[in-house]
Amino acid sequence: NAGVTQTPKFQVLKTGQSMTLQCAQDMNHNSMYWYRQDPGMGLRLIYYSASEGTTDKGEVPNGYNVSRLNKREFSLRLESAAPSQTSVYFCASSPQGAGVKNIQYFGAGTRLSVL
Amino acid sequence: GNSVTQMEGPVTLSEEAFLTINCTYTATGYPSLFWYVQYPGEGLQLLLKATKADDKGSNKGFEATYRKETTSFHLEKGSVQVSDSAVYFCALTPYNQAGTALIFGKGTTLSVSS
Repeated sequence: NAGVTQTPKFQVLKTGQSMTLQCAQDMNHNSMYWYRQDPGMGLRLIYYSASEGTTDKGEVPNGYNVSRLNKREFSLRLESAAPSQTSVYFCASSPQGAGVKNIQYFGAGTRLSVL
Repeated sequence: GNSVTQMEGPVTLSEEAFLTINCTYTATGYPSLFWYVQYPGEGLQLLLKATKADDKGSNKGFEATYRKETTSFHLEKGSVQVSDSAVYFCALTPYNQAGTALIFGKGTTLSVSS
């Protein structure tokens, strides 16, 4: 039962470097999400994909790009990392977006430090 | 707009104590409400949910009742265990907006000692 798999688990970058966080789900879910978690801030939505082929900005999209590669995979890219992007990143998926069916399943997270 | 407010932590209890974590929300329409739990070093997992007014969600001894009149969804447990130590998040999703992500509160850290 893999569920939602995120890679890598840990990453250290220097300011200005780029990287892609990978996320894959094996539950045949339509919707996928990227959140960041910062102390005292809860989880904030970066981008989401309601269905394959669509992506939309969330609350804090600046400095990030996403790609819904196929139904299973949803990647998050930092083009030029900044110290403010030091955070824990969570990917999630859900069967569909609305109401009672929007039970989201989370990956274990990627801990990113930008020096 | 939609938002969730939950009590500040940390909450520190002794084993077998009663737990309440307050959560209130602001939402347009008729949201679904959730409690998620995050154990140390792990991702979030659903604890319980409620989809309409007066619904009671329950799981692992935890309960929460959807109170539309007070716009609240407080989490309770009658007797906590050390293994309940975690961060608890209250969240909502608007009922009729497809493709909308969860809106989370800031989280409440619970620490239970034996």
